[in-house]
Amino acid sequence: DQQVKQNSPSLSVQEGRISILNCDYTNSMFDYFLWYKKYPAEGPTFLISISSIKDKNEDGRFTVFLNKSAKHLSLHIVPSQPGDSAVYFCAASASRTGRRALTFGSGTRLQVQP
Amino acid sequence: DTGVSQDPRHKITKRGQNVTFRCDPISEHNRLYWYRQTLGQGPEFLTYFQNEAQLEKSRLLSDRFSAERPKGSFSTLEIQRTEQGDSAMYLCASSLQGVEQFFGPGTRLTVL
Repeated sequence: DQQVKQNSPSLSVQEGRISILNCDYTNSMFDYFLWYKKYPAEGPTFLISISSIKDKNEDGRFTVFLNKSAKHLSLHIVPSQPGDSAVYFCAASASRTGRRALTFGSGTRLQVQP
Repeated sequence: DTGVSQDPRHKITKRGQNVTFRCDPISEHNRLYWYRQTLGQGPEFLTYFQNEAQLEKSRLLSDRFSAERPKGSFSTLEIQRTEQGDSAMYLCASSLQGVEQFFGPGTRLTVL
């Protein structure tokens, strides 16, 4: 069973506009959420994270929103740049259980058109 | 470069052969993780070390897979009697105290 789901395999936006990537989870034990960016032939690069005690975390152009009641989080990129074109993975951790494994979604490929 | 490094970057082997991959974590990171990623999927957790102790193992880690971190620094992942289904990207990550994990470039395994 997929505990972390990214239902949009791909997203295309114009340079300068907002990119919104979505992620849903089912496991209520998840208490920490992360976004990673991955370029071809490279490992995932950590982007931004959020604890379940918060509903928003911002870092420059990147903002992550968490809606615990809906078990939904989203990553907003504003403004989008061509260099943001990559595959974005949502990941979740049940850190309060002592487990360290991250559970990943299947990714969303973002293409930012110049 | 002070990031996570993995060796080799690519490995092609024949079915039935044994392969071993190496991971060097970020210096002073006491936690080390192995993941596997197949096409179109996100990384899947395999195993986790804190220092030299292997504390977590996934059900994905069959008896043919073994991981070690003998001195709490670098780690090796060995796959015995490789099968075509083992073809994947094998990712290593490390961390210190936080939840955030920092990944290496991966080793791409192709089993013919």
